[in-house]
Amino acid sequence: DIQMTQSPSSLSASVGDRVTITCRASQSITNYLHWFHQRPGNAPKLLISAVSTLHSGVPSRFSGSGSGTDFTLTISSLQPDDLGTYYCQQTYGSWTFGQGTKLEIK
Amino acid sequence: QVPLVQSGAELKKPGSSVKVSCKASGDTFSNYAISWVRQAPGQGLEWLGRIIPASGITNYPQKFKDRVIITADKSTSTIKMTLRSLNYDDTAVYYCTRGPEAMYTNNAPDFWGQGTLVTVSS
Repeated sequence: DIQMTQSPSSLSASVGDRVTITCRASQSITNYLHWFHQRPGNAPKLLISAVSTLHSGVPSRFSGSGSGTDFTLTISSLQPDDLGTYYCQQTYGSWTFGQGTKLEIK
Repeated sequence: QVPLVQSGAELKKPGSSVKVSCKASGDTFSNYAISWVRQAPGQGLEWLGRIIPASGITNYPQKFKDRVIITADKSTSTIKMTLRSLNYDDTAVYYCTRGPEAMYTNNAPDFWGQGTLVTVSS
């Protein structure tokens, strides 16, 4: 199975900060990489598909980049509603997810 | 219409089986693959397998291929996931999610059911 490694596992940032989360695949997954946001008690919601395509209704402060094995999710100006856990996922065959990055607002 | 609606919470004993349902609406049953993903308390996300309801084709990861069965009922547009030989580690929230039919794809699963808590306890 393809292993997905996210970093950091947790972070605390202030409203307005620029936040970056990274995800590394154990082998090349081209652009078969997606990002999800999960609030406590809720199901994950799709943020970005295929590395950089914003899902419908997702604010433009979210962006994604990368290719091959290394990927990045960026929040350009953190908002209170962004708290929760972020997961990367690969769909290059059997699905696997990163372990998650828990984002707290200072 | 909500694309995917799941059945309610379950309490099961070790060694037993659990069946969780996911009712699809709109074009979800006909035009997507439905996957099952679980999340143990405080943990990450783990894929259990999937089905293309229109054809009945299933795919399972090696870890679950002997314990998970996923079926689809066209008459009720319902997808069911059965997990056998339950142990305490199977306590988790189980989600159904709709995604692309292709296994190798840059399309993402775009909607998740509300989740079903399965608790394994003696």
